[in-house]
Amino acid sequence: ELKVEQNPLFLSMQEGKNYTIYCNYSTTSDRLYWYRQDPGKSLESLFVLLSNGAVKQEGRLMASLDTKARLSTLHITAAVHDLSATYFCAAAYYGQNFVFGPGTRLSVLP
Amino acid sequence: EAGVTQFPSHSVIEKGQTVTLRCDPISGHDNLYWYRRVMGKEIKFLLHFVKESKQDESGMPNNRFLAERTGGTYSTLKVQPAELEDSGVYFCASSQEQIYEQYFGPGTRLTVT
Repeated sequence: ELKVEQNPLFLSMQEGKNYTIYCNYSTTSDRLYWYRQDPGKSLESLFVLLSNGAVKQEGRLMASLDTKARLSTLHITAAVHDLSATYFCAAAYYGQNFVFGPGTRLSVLP
Repeated sequence: EAGVTQFPSHSVIEKGQTVTLRCDPISGHDNLYWYRRVMGKEIKFLLHFVKESKQDESGMPNNRFLAERTGGTYSTLKVQPAELEDSGVYFCASSQEQIYEQYFGPGTRLTVT
């Protein structure tokens, strides 16, 4: 059974700092997704990672995937307040459906 | 292009009552998914439609939940009779292909009192 863990679950950081959110999954997965959710809003797709070594960047966020370590990271560079949200990773194996991590609630303080 | 829409946005019902949630996927998306997040816990998969067929309903908690997707367009999720533990946010998502990213609706917040 595929299980997904994230850490930290809560992250409070100051503007301008860098930090990394980790997503570990328990069994083989060939797809890894990152989503962002603002309070009371829908989940917004950030990244889709489909192969080992995949790295994608959008603005201050960069995601990577290491399928051998069963690990994905979401790196935040020079955080700004607008990045405050809950970040979810989700893993899936071909033909199977998403398994979400518990989410990381990020607060960026001025 | 319109995104995934869900109705209602909020629903408050008493234990034992019936509630029907609706999801309209993005036009042309054959794959439709239902998820639930209860009390700040993980987002849990409920079921997956491909067009009008149930591809995977392994996440449905019990037979009080009934999902339909007549005609392969919108979907409904009925809870009958509702129990207190059914409270949570129900999300719908759609995708063109199963391996592609899923686009989520805003969710329906269900409160059972």
